[in-house]
Amino acid sequence: GAVVSQHPSRVICKSGTSVKIECRSLDFQATTMFWYRQFPKKSLMLMATSNEGSKATYEQGVEKDKFLINHASLTLSTLTVTSAHPEDSSFYICSASFDTSGNTIYFGEGSWLTVV
Amino acid sequence: GDSVTQMEGPVTLSEEACLTINCTYTATGYPSLFWYVQYPGEGLQLLLKATKADDKGSNKGFEATYRKETTSFHLEKGSVQVSDSAVYFCALSDWGNAGNMLTFGGGTRLMVKP
Repeated sequence: GAVVSQHPSRVICKSGTSVKIECRSLDFQATTMFWYRQFPKKSLMLMATSNEGSKATYEQGVEKDKFLINHASLTLSTLTVTSAHPEDSSFYICSASFDTSGNTIYFGEGSWLTVV
Repeated sequence: GDSVTQMEGPVTLSEEACLTINCTYTATGYPSLFWYVQYPGEGLQLLLKATKADDKGSNKGFEATYRKETTSFHLEKGSVQVSDSAVYFCALSDWGNAGNMLTFGGGTRLMVKP
């Protein structure tokens, strides 16, 4: 079946550096991808909706200059955490949909980001 | 590792019918359990959650009870509406297993007809 791959699964970076997380749809073209983050013992929080070929739509309270999302192709969306700080440490997960209705959705494995 | 199994869809119901979407899990620790809903074209939304055994989560007429003895967290609603048509995901968060923060079931599409 269709698979969404996220990379890296774990990353540790220093404060002030940037880190990129990739979300790939492996055997289908994803018109829409979603990025979420999860804080310890909390539910998922939607960060942004990424549509291929257009700017991402960010949820209220999410800094678009800090969390850069690029969906340059139908199989790849990237989330770049710029000038990372320890409070950005979190679990980031993407999901991808290959039809415009969004009724078929697949999740990546998630990425653990630790900023030290 | 942790896993979540939920019934495959689509589930098609008439308005005002009763809904049950089954969800069972396996986990090594003491997980929190969630139901998320995704409406067409939108991102996931948290529907309800339960953090320990026998807890009941409820929201918008939906309920689910954390059953440790049967490792289940079935989603129920007594009377569905057309506006409930969406994809529902059962999820588990096992904080004792830091290598896998969140595990989702495969999703169940619900279609409610007038």
